[in-house]
Amino acid sequence: DAGVIQSPRHEVTEMGQEVTLRCKPISGHDYLFWYRQTMMRGLELLIYFNNNVPIDDSGMPEDRFSAKMPNASFSTLKIQPSEPRDSAVYFCASSPPQGQGREQYFGPGTRLTVT
Amino acid sequence: GENVEQHPSTLSVQEGDSAVIKCTYSDSASNYFPWYKQELGKRPQLIIDIRSNVGEKKDQRIAVTLNKTAKHFSLHITETQPEDSAVYFCAIIAGGTSYGKLTFGQGTILTVHP
Repeated sequence: DAGVIQSPRHEVTEMGQEVTLRCKPISGHDYLFWYRQTMMRGLELLIYFNNNVPIDDSGMPEDRFSAKMPNASFSTLKIQPSEPRDSAVYFCASSPPQGQGREQYFGPGTRLTVT
Repeated sequence: GENVEQHPSTLSVQEGDSAVIKCTYSDSASNYFPWYKQELGKRPQLIIDIRSNVGEKKDQRIAVTLNKTAKHFSLHITETQPEDSAVYFCAIIAGGTSYGKLTFGQGTILTVHP
């Protein structure tokens, strides 16, 4: 298995632009998570899905952030408009269905820089 | 909501020594306690986990102990090696309906000196 796939790996954009991050979970996993990692705030859960349905989005910072999961093999995290304080590494992770293990498998991350 | 405190924030040891990292949590309904290791520039990866019905679990040089009464759990690494140098994160999952929701500690930067 290729593991969790994220794209792009690096993104540099100007303040005010729209940014879309993409994730493909491991096949057969029905949980998908979006995290943000910064030095100041550590590793924060933004939102997670189960069977393509958002379960908890309490970590989404504000309305500029949105996430979708149109099918079991694809999810996006969108920031519109982006701001310099959104600069971080964004990780996507997936995990198997309940009863098949609770390990979360992280993707390689997308390093976002907003100038 | 869930809260987890991790100490120390940095830990420096000599190769061959032991390292211990401790986390405390506030939600008594927490029932799953994983530890993740993140090497510089890499993704977090699970190294060991423990469930609330178990007091201790070992995997070669790594062990985790859980004290549910005191609401703390610890990672123990014995015979440390330079390749153990990384950031280590504890995490918790609350009970109830939060099956997938991990709350991470702040991380411990472990440096093992040859």
